[in-house]
Amino acid sequence: AQSVSQHNHHVILSEAASLELGCNYSYGGTVNLFWYVQYPGQHLQLLLKYFSGDPLVKGIKGFEAEFIKSKFSFNLRKPSVQWSDTAEYFCAVNTGGFKTIFGAGTRLFVKA
Amino acid sequence: EADIYQTPRYLVIGTGKKITLECSQTMGHDKMYWYQQDPGMELHLIHYSYGVNSTEKGDLSSESTVSRIRTEHFPLTLESARPSHTSQYLCASSETGAGTDTQYFGPGTRLTVL
Repeated sequence: AQSVSQHNHHVILSEAASLELGCNYSYGGTVNLFWYVQYPGQHLQLLLKYFSGDPLVKGIKGFEAEFIKSKFSFNLRKPSVQWSDTAEYFCAVNTGGFKTIFGAGTRLFVKA
Repeated sequence: EADIYQTPRYLVIGTGKKITLECSQTMGHDKMYWYQQDPGMELHLIHYSYGVNSTEKGDLSSESTVSRIRTEHFPLTLESARPSHTSQYLCASSETGAGTDTQYFGPGTRLTVL
């Protein structure tokens, strides 16, 4: 069965630290990849997405993610986190059609 | 800013009650979805719709039903709520077409069944 695995459920960082959140998926065909973010008290919203082309994609607020097809990975990165990045981050994969598979989420807490 | 609305935001009810969770979007999206989300778990798709009069069950077995009589409206109904239905329910919508499938989410309804 198709699945999405996020390596860390909880991450705690100090401001200015670098961030990398892991995401791996299990599907051998063409995929569309997403990172969604849910800030406290807000809707789940799109952070960035990959459909085709350059495997390094840039999103809002200085986030980027790299699609490595050989590793079935789509890790999220940010060079220097801020307190306002405290949120829950969800990796998601669409394999065509209606179905998008979400990971279990990673809660990031950034200490000021 | 996504224009997708859910009401109520919070609901506490007793076992056996019939409830309807409302979801509306003003973006004209054809596709709409209902997900169930529990803390620390994946979002599980319970219903989806391609358009008016089109509804399908998702992967997660659910005793709820949905209807899609108007493009903008996708309500979810539980005929007889049970404590096992306690969860957060998220509604989402997306456009139709290649290279899309970006989903826009509502704020969610947190349901507690006593």
